[in-house]
Amino acid sequence: NAGVTQTPKFQVLKTGQSMTLQCAQDMNHEYMSWYRQDPGMGLRLIHYSVGAGITDQGEVPNGYNVSRSTTEDFPLRLLSAAPSQTSVYFCASSLKTGTGGDEQFFGPGTRLTVL
Amino acid sequence: GQNIDQPTEMTATEGAIVQINCTYQTSGFNGLFWYQQHAGEAPTFLSYNVLDGLEEKGRFSSFLSRSKGYSYLLLKELQMKDSASYLCAPLNSNYQLIWGAGTKLIIKP
Repeated sequence: NAGVTQTPKFQVLKTGQSMTLQCAQDMNHEYMSWYRQDPGMGLRLIHYSVGAGITDQGEVPNGYNVSRSTTEDFPLRLLSAAPSQTSVYFCASSLKTGTGGDEQFFGPGTRLTVL
Repeated sequence: GQNIDQPTEMTATEGAIVQINCTYQTSGFNGLFWYQQHAGEAPTFLSYNVLDGLEEKGRFSSFLSRSKGYSYLLLKELQMKDSASYLCAPLNSNYQLIWGAGTKLIIKP
């Protein structure tokens, strides 16, 4: 199993550009999520999905869109990049949601810089 | 509100024992996770506590007191590879993880 994969690993954008961060998992997990991690702060939830066709907003959803057309894939789209979106982005998945003890498996992260 | 408090940085010596504390306030509670994150890498799962008490897993143990909103991670026989950040993350009533900023642990020879 590849686990959770993310592409690209690094990206530099100019203000106003749009792009999609890719995330895929091959563990048949129901729950997938996107976080951003900034220095001195905890991971912050952007969007999450409890299954194919179902998505919901997390703590910091503004400026981002997601879709979940298949169990495996959960792309994150930046609509119009801003310097405040410079961050490290992690995709994560877990077997289920609502059962408490399922650990989240993280992808390797995408390091995004917006100029 | 929801709040996680853990020390920003700690230093310990190789072979010693270190305890990393975490206090939390969340809307509801469904357990607490500890993750390890090496610099430049993704977080990886260490432990999950849902009942009060100590859970031991090799050199690592995790303790939970729900009434006090308190947890700690105990690392024994410290090795250089334990230099990392340790993230405390309680699960709230909506089964969402609330992440602390992490404790950076520096191990010295």
